[in-house]
Amino acid sequence: AQKITQTQPGMFVQEKEAVTLDCTYDTSDQSYGLFWYKQPSSGEMIFLIYQGSYDEQNATEGRYSLNFQKARKSANLVISASQLGDSAMYFCAMSRPKFTGNQFYFGTGTSLTVIP
Amino acid sequence: DAGVTQSPTHLIKTRGQQVTLRCSPISGHKSVSWYQQVLGQGPQFIFQYYEKEERGRGNFPDRFSARQFPNYSSELNVNALLLGDSALYLCASSLVDLATEAFFGQGTRLTVV
Repeated sequence: AQKITQTQPGMFVQEKEAVTLDCTYDTSDQSYGLFWYKQPSSGEMIFLIYQGSYDEQNATEGRYSLNFQKARKSANLVISASQLGDSAMYFCAMSRPKFTGNQFYFGTGTSLTVIP
Repeated sequence: DAGVTQSPTHLIKTRGQQVTLRCSPISGHKSVSWYQQVLGQGPQFIFQYYEKEERGRGNFPDRFSARQFPNYSSELNVNALLLGDSALYLCASSLVDLATEAFFGQGTRLTVV
């Protein structure tokens, strides 16, 4: 069975500092996708970054980077230079494209609070 | 371009009633998925449609059903509502079935009383 684990229910970071949100996954598939989404209090899930299991380089999107360690089955999100607007819930998700297309398995999320 | 739009944004229903939620994907996107997010938890997969065909169904009772129309919009129906169906229902769209990104709507917050 596929499982996403986010062990940090809540995190605090000082404005302008970097923060790492942890995500580990469990799958026996060779081909899979890893995603991070941000969910503000409004409810909308905002796509941040994607990493394919065969991508050798870590994905980056602006201030977001994904620290992908395949052997350890971890896909941590790094946010550099935190801003007050980064305060939100963050969800890690996995897809199994060969078997179930765009069906995502989500973790329980991490609540990030940026302190001025 | 418009993003994924869902309607209504909020809904209050009584136990036993039926509800229909609607989703319009991003123009050109052919894949639509539905998720249920109970307060304090991550979203749970309900259905996926691609090119009007059901591609997958999550572990939800038969009270939940969905369909996708020729214009790729989608409806999620829930019959015989239970208190436990109270949740945020999210719709996601992507260009193809094996996409590297999927975009979510703002969700429909359903309250069952």
